[in-house]
Amino acid sequence: ETGVTQSPTHLIKTRGQQVTLRCSSQSGHNTVSWYQQALGQGPQFIFQYYREEENGRGNFPPRFSGLQFPNYSSELNVNALELDDSALYLCASSFRTSEGTDTQYFGPGTRLTVL
Amino acid sequence: QKEVEQNSGPLSVPEGAIASLNCTYSDRGSQSFFWYRQYSGKSPELIMSIYSNGDKEDGRFTAQLNKASQYVSLLIRDSQPSDSATYLCAVRGKDSNYQLIWGAGTKLIIKP
Repeated sequence: ETGVTQSPTHLIKTRGQQVTLRCSSQSGHNTVSWYQQALGQGPQFIFQYYREEENGRGNFPPRFSGLQFPNYSSELNVNALELDDSALYLCASSFRTSEGTDTQYFGPGTRLTVL
Repeated sequence: QKEVEQNSGPLSVPEGAIASLNCTYSDRGSQSFFWYRQYSGKSPELIMSIYSNGDKEDGRFTAQLNKASQYVSLLIRDSQPSDSATYLCAVRGKDSNYQLIWGAGTKLIIKP
């Protein structure tokens, strides 16, 4: 167990709808990263939040947005869902040190299906 | 385009043997390297991190890093059926703003 939780575990939406996924960080961690993982692929970086600010973004359109709260929990919002958004969404929690290192620990993921 | 390459497998290894998993990366400035294990339908689980050239051992697992040749490997000794999973290599570059670049993973099958 990593201490990172995600909700919901599974979700079914229809094309065009909006979805919010949630993540609670491991205690003491200050950084949250979100990934999308399609079947048979490695995780693709969506964005990262450090101390409530977006701190890097992958090649995802603006309809993917996020928030990090003062308690370092986080949300991923996806608007105007498309069929290709069907994937496992992973949240990873980490503590960024003054030396700039951090090791990411994953939550169980949210399986999103878009019909 | 920074890339991380892994052989997709499947790699089939007899129980009790040594499994050897390899990963190459394109960004010569990469500084942090991670191996994760992912069971089907589950999220990635950290096995090891390595930052310096050479070997790092943790139980049955040994990570090997060669920055000059831009590869990192994972050895699993005394392989068990429970080691059957997909193994993901992740790399962080010097100027990547903490973003991890991931390989697509190698599927490992341990045959009893």
